[in-house]
Amino acid sequence: GAVVSQHPSWVICKSGTSVKIECRSLDFQATTMFWYRQFPKQSLMLMATSNEGSKATYEQGVEKDKFLINHASLTLSTLTVTSAHPEDSSFYICSARIGGSYNSPLHFGNGTRLTVT
Amino acid sequence: KNEVEQSPQNLTAQEGEFITINCSYSVGISALHWLQQHPGGGIVSLFMLSSGKKKHGRLIATINIQEKHSSLHITASHPRDSAVYICAVRSDRGSTLGRLYFGRGTQLTVWP
Repeated sequence: GAVVSQHPSWVICKSGTSVKIECRSLDFQATTMFWYRQFPKQSLMLMATSNEGSKATYEQGVEKDKFLINHASLTLSTLTVTSAHPEDSSFYICSARIGGSYNSPLHFGNGTRLTVT
Repeated sequence: KNEVEQSPQNLTAQEGEFITINCSYSVGISALHWLQQHPGGGIVSLFMLSSGKKKHGRLIATINIQEKHSSLHITASHPRDSAVYICAVRSDRGSTLGRLYFGRGTQLTVWP
């Protein structure tokens, strides 16, 4: 089946530094990838929708200058948390959609647990 | 109020028991997803359905569009079924077309 690889699975960084998270579709081309954030015991919250070759669409309340998304190819989208602060500590997970239909199946990465000290 | 409500929040069962997790939603949808999130955080899509019933192994998912309700059933539960089960719906309306709304998840623990 389709596989989405997310890297790293966990990262600890110091406050003020930047962290890059990669999301790769391994055996399919993903024109659209989604980035989510999840706090403990909470729902997944959509942060942004990433479309290959164009600017990402950010959800209300998500700072685009803080959470930089790049979708430079059909198999790779990256999320960079810039100038990270402890409140950015969370679980970040990406998903990719095969096909252009809204009802195409979803495939998720294994997530990245970010801890900012 | 969340667009997607799941119950129960936590569920404990003995191995072999029949499990039911419920999901109610308040928006018009084009599809409903049941997802399984493992302790490490990874998410697997179990079902995507827009009507009726689907079965995969010991898992059964049903949806009633009129009542805006879906259930996920696990027959002959096993400790390896222990995970968080998440219901997500895809909106079919206007400015939110295609948007996914997630429930908070149901933590299932199956004891041997």
